[in-house]
Amino acid sequence: GNSVTQMEGPVTLSEEAFLTINCTYTATGYPSLFWYVQYPGEGLQLLLKATKADDKGSNKGFEATYRKETTSFHLEKGSVQVSDSAVYFCALTLTGGFKTIFGAGTRLFVKA
Amino acid sequence: DVKVTQSSRYLVKRTGEKVFLECVQDMDHENMFWYRQDPGLGLRLIYFSYDVKMKEKGDIPEGYSVSREKKERFSLILESASTNQTSMYLCASRQGPETQYFGPGTRLLVL
Repeated sequence: GNSVTQMEGPVTLSEEAFLTINCTYTATGYPSLFWYVQYPGEGLQLLLKATKADDKGSNKGFEATYRKETTSFHLEKGSVQVSDSAVYFCALTLTGGFKTIFGAGTRLFVKA
Repeated sequence: DVKVTQSSRYLVKRTGEKVFLECVQDMDHENMFWYRQDPGLGLRLIYFSYDVKMKEKGDIPEGYSVSREKKERFSLILESASTNQTSMYLCASRQGPETQYFGPGTRLLVL
């Protein structure tokens, strides 16, 4: 079946550290891939997306590359800030499908 | 600016009560979704709707029902609330297979 697996948290980093949150997926067909972010007390919002293999999504200094050969979509940021503290969800939607499959979420804490 | 609103941010109900959670979107989206979010489990789909009066069960529909009488409004109903339905409920809307837009969530406590 279709699924998304992301690294367990929490992840704790100091400000200006490099961030990687791993995400791998299993899907039939060719999914679109997403990273959503949830700040404390809020709903999820789109961080970035990629719709085909080798596409790179980027936003607010975050990047992720759609790797079909390794079925991965790892999230990276070169220098995190305290304001990046949030829960990050990796997700996929199959082309023509209604459902979006979410990973379990990874909580990030950034210390000043 | 796109917007999805939910009727309550926090709700406290007693076991056995009928609970209504409402969601409204202003983007004319066809697809609307109800999820529950629990620690360590991520988001789980309860129901979704792809058109007015159309609904499909998600992964955990037991104990819930939904109503979509107008395109912009999607309601989640707990027919008889139980303590295991204490959770965060998130509504979302989407046009086609692309980005979902989420409301701020309703944190429901069932006593």
